[in-house]
Amino acid sequence: DTEVTQTPKHLVMGMTNKKSLKCEQHMGHRAMYWYKQKAKKPPELMFVYSYEKLSINESVPSRFSPECPNSSLLNLHLHALQPEDSALYLCASSQQVGAGREQFFGPGTRLTVL
Amino acid sequence: GQNIDQPTEMTATEGAIVQINCTYQTSGFNGLFWYQQHAGEAPTFLSYNVLDGLEEKGRFSSFLSRSKGYSYLLLKELQMKDSASYLCAVRDSNYQLIWGAGTKLIIKP
Repeated sequence: DTEVTQTPKHLVMGMTNKKSLKCEQHMGHRAMYWYKQKAKKPPELMFVYSYEKLSINESVPSRFSPECPNSSLLNLHLHALQPEDSALYLCASSQQVGAGREQFFGPGTRLTVL
Repeated sequence: GQNIDQPTEMTATEGAIVQINCTYQTSGFNGLFWYQQHAGEAPTFLSYNVLDGLEEKGRFSSFLSRSKGYSYLLLKELQMKDSASYLCAVRDSNYQLIWGAGTKLIIKP
């Protein structure tokens, strides 16, 4: 299994809503990542989890709250988002932070904040 | 600062060859990656270079010169499905990926 899965595929939410994005991998990878990508821009790193511990938070606003319940799952909890947070949210995994060859990306969640 | 430069857009003809260049200035170097991304989809891994030289994988090849801070992705026998954005990314001394803005490749019949 060389796949990263993400749900939902699309999400529309209001600024007062609370929602969660989910990511799962069964490759035994110990590093997992959240990226945000706006149209025609490269992915922008948000968070890195290494061995289920948050190792990097790239100064992301607190309305985004990551969670890593176990080595296969990564969640991103959303609360009180702004319209400018509308983007493609990508989850990725790799063998470890810094080791291994590449990051494997999930298909992404297309988020629209109204 | 950290910087990765690649052309914004390129056009090529089906069946031809195209070379997409990438130059970088980063704090440390722990490998260079090329990813392909179709519109609205996730990036997919194409190639990885950590030593100087050419890595070949089917129709795609990637070259690296660490002394020049330079890489290129070579696509041969272009197909319409190769129309996509191609992202160059460098893993820096903190093992973080620094991404270029991507090159949009347009293939014409």
